[in-house]
Amino acid sequence: GNSVTQMEGPVTLSEEAFLTINCTYTATGYPSLFWYVQYPGEGLQLLLKATKADDKGSNKGFEATYRKETTSFHLEKGSVQVSDSAVYFCALKGDSGGYQKVTFGTGTKLQVIP
Amino acid sequence: KAGVTQTPRYLIKTRGQQVTLSCSPISGHRSVSWYQQTPGQGLQFLFEYFSETQRNKGNFPGRFSGRQFSNSRSEMNVSTLELGDSALYLCASSRTGGNEQFFGPGTRLTVL
Repeated sequence: GNSVTQMEGPVTLSEEAFLTINCTYTATGYPSLFWYVQYPGEGLQLLLKATKADDKGSNKGFEATYRKETTSFHLEKGSVQVSDSAVYFCALKGDSGGYQKVTFGTGTKLQVIP
Repeated sequence: KAGVTQTPRYLIKTRGQQVTLSCSPISGHRSVSWYQQTPGQGLQFLFEYFSETQRNKGNFPGRFSGRQFSNSRSEMNVSTLELGDSALYLCASSRTGGNEQFFGPGTRLTVL
């Protein structure tokens, strides 16, 4: 079946540091890939997405490129802020038993300190 | 456009009881999915409904059930609650053919 593997957290960075959160996936066919973010006490919200190989999703300074050759979708940001502290989930939407199903990674908690 | 709403936001129950959670999707969205989120297991898929039919189901026991109404609102029910059912239950809706899921704030269930 489909699966998503994210780097273990928590990740602690100083403000303005460079962020990378690794995500790799296993899926048949050509899934769509997503990064969702969950702020404390809230549900998940879509951060960015990519629907085909070599697509780059970007939003709020975050970027991720769909790399089919390495089955990866790593999240990056050049300069993090305290307000970026949250849990980040990598996800894919792909075929699973004839249906399009969303599979989430375990989440990576990011803490940014001033 | 109003977002996904979930009621109640918080719930405390005791073992053996049953509980019903409600989710109202974004207007026009016909697909509703439910997830259980716990610190130990992360985000786990429960089931998905589309046009009142269960389209997908995760690996949860039969105590977990759901339904969807003709207005796309959905409910999930957990019977014979166990301590391990304590979790944040998230509902997400999506439009037909859409890739993105829109999540509600969740219902925090505590089982004592």
